[in-house]
This record gives sequence, C-alpha cells and structure tokens, in this order.
Amino acid sequence: DIQMTQSPSTLSASVGDRVTITCRASQSISRYLAWYQQKPGKVPKLLIYRASNLESGVPSRFSATGSETEFTLTINSLQPDDFATYYCQQYHSYWTFGQGTKVEIK
Amino acid sequence: EMQVLESGGGLVQPGGSLRLSCAASGFTFSNFAMSWVRQAPGKGLEWVSNIWGGGTVIDYADSVKGRFSISRDNSRNTLYLQMNSLRVDDTAVYYCTKGRNGEGDSYYYMDVWGKGTTVTVSS
Repeated sequence: DIQMTQSPSTLSASVGDRVTITCRASQSISRYLAWYQQKPGKVPKLLIYRASNLESGVPSRFSATGSETEFTLTINSLQPDDFATYYCQQYHSYWTFGQGTKVEIK
Repeated sequence: EMQVLESGGGLVQPGGSLRLSCAASGFTFSNFAMSWVRQAPGKGLEWVSNIWGGGTVIDYADSVKGRFSISRDNSRNTLYLQMNSLRVDDTAVYYCTKGRNGEGDSYYYMDVWGKGTTVTVSS
C-alpha cells in the first residue's frame, strides 16, 4: 500500500502570507496526485489534479508542483477563505489520502 | 450541475447492517467510476470502495473487505454501499464521490462529492 505523509500537520499563518504544504509518497506515484480543501463541517473540494493542474474555478493563488514522491501545494497571499484543512491524495494505486494539514489563523 | 446525494445513514448496533444509497444527476452516470470515501469524527479521509462505470471492476479498502459490498444501478443513476458486520470503528460520515480521469488515462480522482451521510455504530 502507498502511504502519504503531509507536513506540517498544522500551520499557523496570517492573511497575506505565502504558505507551502508538503506531501510525500512512500513510493513513486508519477504525477497522480490531487489536493483537496475541507472547511469545518463542509465537503472536501478538489483544488488540484495531476499534481499541478488547477481545477476550474479555483483561485490562481493556489499552485502545486511535484512528481514521483515529493509534492507541494502553495497558497500565495493567503485569504480569510483559505483557512481550512488540506489533504493530498494519490490515485496511482487505489486511493490514499494524507493525514491533512490544518491551516489556522496566526 | 453535477450532483450526488447520499442517503441511508443512521444509528446501528455493532454487528448490524446498513445500506447507503447515492443518487447522481447532471452527468451520464454510467460513464464514470464512483467511490465511497469516509471520515471518522475528527479524523482524515479514507477511501472505502470504488466501482467502474460498467460495474465489473470493484475494489475495497482492506478495512472493509469481506464486510462491505458496492454496487450500482445505471438505469437508476444510483450507487449503493451494503455494509454488514458493522464495527464501532466504521462510525463516520460516508461521502459518495464521482471519479474523473485524464484523456487516455485510466487513473481517476474524485471531482464531485456529496454532502455525506452519517453512520454511527454504537450499542
């Protein structure tokens, strides 16, 4: 089974900050990685697919890179609406989510 | 607008059974793989099961294999999850999700999520 490890688990930041979340796969997943955003009590929302492709309607301040085993999600100029938990997900071999990174207000 | 709507959650005793349903609309249901993903209270997301569009390819997470059964009725645009031998650690919100894959690519991620239905296993 492929394990996904995100870091950090919690990230404290201020509005306007640039934040980066890292996701590591236990083995190569090529670029079969997605990122989701989940706000408290809400449904996960797809942000990024195929490692770096922005889903339609997602603000351009979100960007992502990576391949094989190392991936990052970056939020430029953090907005109040961005405080949420972010999950990476591999879909190369079945589906596995990272444990999540909570972005909270500093 | 593409939508999926779950139903069938509730309170059940350990060892009991429950059947979840997911009604899809706004897309050609039979063309897409569908999955169930769950989230235990205060925890992260866990893939549970998936079924391809034709219903012939099915996978399960090890945690539910042999106890859960996924199926679909393409004539009714509906996905199901039959859950048997339920355990306390099956307590979670269960999300129905639609799969989407790239051109010429058989790998898919989840692009449409339902609001979820809550399953509570407790005596």
